[in-house]
Amino acid sequence: AQSVTQLDSQVPVFEEAPVELRCNYSSSVSVYLFWYVQYPNQGLQLLLKYLSGSTLVKGINGFEAEFNKSQTSFHLRKPSVHISDTAEYFCAVIPAGTASKLTFGTGTRLQVTL
Amino acid sequence: KAGVTQTPRYLIKTRGQQVTLSCSPISGHRSVSWYQQTPGQGLQFLFEYFSETQRNKGNFPGRFSGRQFSNSRSEMNVSTLELGDSALYLCASSPQVGVGGNTIYFGEGSWLTVV
Repeated sequence: AQSVTQLDSQVPVFEEAPVELRCNYSSSVSVYLFWYVQYPNQGLQLLLKYLSGSTLVKGINGFEAEFNKSQTSFHLRKPSVHISDTAEYFCAVIPAGTASKLTFGTGTRLQVTL
Repeated sequence: KAGVTQTPRYLIKTRGQQVTLSCSPISGHRSVSWYQQTPGQGLQFLFEYFSETQRNKGNFPGRFSGRQFSNSRSEMNVSTLELGDSALYLCASSPQVGVGGNTIYFGEGSWLTVV
């Protein structure tokens, strides 16, 4: 079984400041990793995914994440946030090569203010 | 290309009633999965269908069921509704099952309120 831990339930940040949202996972098998964003009253939108290869993954809206196998982490970063980045962010995993049964973290609420 | 479409978007039901939610996947996608999102439990996997067959099931009671049609459209049904079933139900589609790297696309969700 897999589990995902997002330690920060809320992250307040000022506009144009950098941000890091933390994600750690646990799995006895190799996994694929994903970050999704959820804006108010909307579904989930994929930000980026790690399957294999380069550990630094770039996604949409200027976000990037780095896979660290030894620390079982997949932290999400953005060098300069905008008000429009205010949303809930979810980290998720899937066992590599299996069906689409995502295991999600509890989410991190990113609140960007002026 | 149209995204994942879910209907209805919002609905209110009474305890004891049943509800059916519908999902149309992205054209060409054959795998459809369902998730329940609540403030207390977060995002939880309900089940997944591929080629009209249930491939995977989460830890939900038998009141929760689903099916997939030959055109890949899917429905989920919840019988004997309980207050705790109030949630956002998300449908997701992907091109095929068994290849975990495929991107999984989500719909806008169906907001169910049980009163």
